Amino acid sequence: DTAVSQTPKYLVTQMGNDKSIKCEQNLGHDTMYWYKQDSKKFLKIMFSYNNKELIINETVPNRFSPKSPDKAHLNLHINSLELGDSAVYFCASGTSGVNEQYFGPGTRLTVT
Amino acid sequence: GEDVEQSLFLSVREGDSSVINCTYTDSSSTYLYWYKQEPGAGLQLLTYIFSNMDMKQDQRLTVLLNKKDKHLSLRIADTQTGDSAIYFCAESMMDSSYKLIFGSGTRLLVRP
Repeated sequence: DTAVSQTPKYLVTQMGNDKSIKCEQNLGHDTMYWYKQDSKKFLKIMFSYNNKELIINETVPNRFSPKSPDKAHLNLHINSLELGDSAVYFCASGTSGVNEQYFGPGTRLTVT
Repeated sequence: GEDVEQSLFLSVREGDSSVINCTYTDSSSTYLYWYKQEPGAGLQLLTYIFSNMDMKQDQRLTVLLNKKDKHLSLRIADTQTGDSAIYFCAESMMDSSYKLIFGSGTRLLVRP
């Protein structure tokens, strides 16, 4: 009965590779998000989708491409990975109105 | 502009009260939130307060909001070792983006 799930939990890869992170929510929310948390725990919004439509794209390099096949899924594809992409990536889904956002467990990406 | 600030670290003795402070800059924020992040986990929504409220209490948690000074605090009564975590405050933008702007997080250490 997991609310927001992400796969994989850990991802170790080499520079230049392409990788994807998947996210699914079973809360029935219309809005989903990707956040990046750096090594200092600073958390920043990357993307937001509402009903499969891109709402937010916060100056993220175009190597990052979100894809939402339906409103319960929001995947993140990253091309040509760089060392600076190493971080924990969190998916979240949220309600309208109060905007309560519920986070997945995170995907720790390490680029070597 | 969008900026949320928190002190980085707080240490308290078990059984004491903890007060975590946060300042924000966007006076148009509609809701303000407190999230808890335990090691290796995602963010857990603890509570939120609507911007026209001064105080909200939820069991051991008390949120105080001073809109004039743009200051938000979270008080945890009878702090337990299980409360040790990083606490993030966040504000919700009033535009249609639904994005949350997070503070840098306060690491709470509860000493036995």
